Amino acid sequence: GENVEQHPSTLSVQEGDSAVIKCTYSDSASNYFPWYKQELGKRPQLIIDIRSNVGEKKDQRIAVTLNKTAKHFSLHITETQPEDSAVYFCAARDYGGSQGNLIFGKGTKLSVKP
Amino acid sequence: DSGVTQTPKHLITATGQRVTLRCSPRSGDLSVYWYQQSLDQGLQFLIQYYNGEERAKGNILERFSAQQFPDLHSELNLSSLELGDSALYFCASSSDGKVYNEQFFGPGTRLTVL
Repeated sequence: GENVEQHPSTLSVQEGDSAVIKCTYSDSASNYFPWYKQELGKRPQLIIDIRSNVGEKKDQRIAVTLNKTAKHFSLHITETQPEDSAVYFCAARDYGGSQGNLIFGKGTKLSVKP
Repeated sequence: DSGVTQTPKHLITATGQRVTLRCSPRSGDLSVYWYQQSLDQGLQFLIQYYNGEERAKGNILERFSAQQFPDLHSELNLSSLELGDSALYFCASSSDGKVYNEQFFGPGTRLTVL
């Protein structure tokens, strides 16, 4: 089945700086990669996703890049703001044990210092 | 508010006991997912139901079971509870159960096993 590794586990940046979170996956058949944001004490929410037929997708200050050859994808947040502080989870579609469902990374706790 | 509701919000019980967690999906959503979130494991997919039928299983223990009723609400039953079952349990729903469609998460049930 799919295995998703996420790095770093914690990330601290100054307000206005950029933040990058990286994930690698094991199953070359995976074709869908969403990112979820979970604020403290709240539910995870989808912030952006990418399918394997594109290399990059942007939504305002957030972008995701995908390298299928290397089997890794990254979340880029530019001009970070204190409200970006949260735990971010990457995920990949699992064709194996989970029959097409999502396997999540262990999360990255992002802290944006004002 | 995602439109997904979960009850109870908190549950404290003893080892060996059995509990039932309840989830009501967003209006119109046919698919329900259950996840376990613990500190060191991130979000773990447990099981998915679609329109009353089990569609996919993830890392769900044999002591755990779930079902989706005709009104589309779902229940997760946890039995012979162990200390390690203490976690936050999320339910999510999506419109048609396809992985590309956003999953909307409920607020979660925090289970503490003493």
